[in-house]
Amino acid sequence: AQTVTQSQPEMSVQEAETVTLSCTYDTSESDYYLFWYKQPPSRQMILVIRQEAYKQQNATENRFSVNFQKAAKSFSLKISDSQLGDAAMYFCAYTTGTASKLTFGTGTRLQVTL
Amino acid sequence: EAEVAQSPRYKITEKSQAVAFWCDPISGHATLYWYRQILGQGPELLVQFQDESVVDDSQLPKDRFSAERLKGVDSTLKIQPAELGDSAMYLCASSHRTSDVTDTQYFGPGTRLTVL
Repeated sequence: AQTVTQSQPEMSVQEAETVTLSCTYDTSESDYYLFWYKQPPSRQMILVIRQEAYKQQNATENRFSVNFQKAAKSFSLKISDSQLGDAAMYFCAYTTGTASKLTFGTGTRLQVTL
Repeated sequence: EAEVAQSPRYKITEKSQAVAFWCDPISGHATLYWYRQILGQGPELLVQFQDESVVDDSQLPKDRFSAERLKGVDSTLKIQPAELGDSAMYLCASSHRTSDVTDTQYFGPGTRLTVL
């Protein structure tokens, strides 16, 4: 079965510090795309960042960056200069070249403290 | 900024009753998804539409769930009869097209269903 594993149910970071959320995945496809989605409390899920598997360069979006290790099937998210508004559930997900549906992990709840 | 609309936001029902959820995707988005998110888990796809056609409903419990997108715009997801295990958040998402699997999926706020 194709799966996504997020081994950290909860993480905490102080404001302005850096935190890394872990994700591993398992797919037999060679063509796939990886995503991090953020789900704030009582608000809709939004895309944070995405990575095409065929690209070696790690994606970055402002304070968010990924560490994509294709051989290890690892896709971690680094949040720099954490802000209170970063507090949310973060989901790692992927989609393959043969289907556009997203397969999600179980999520990591991120707390940001003062 | 255009958003995916869903209603109702919250629904409480008793088991064996029928419930229906509505989703209006972003204008022009051909692909519509219904996901179910059980508490403490990530969303799982129930059904995917391309325009008015079902592309994937392999995880939809067809004995009690039905979904339609008659004119290829808004969509309705129905459960009849509801069971206790159906309590979850039902999320609708849309994307512009399926020819590009990297196309971003935009999610609505969800409908939280509680079955008593």
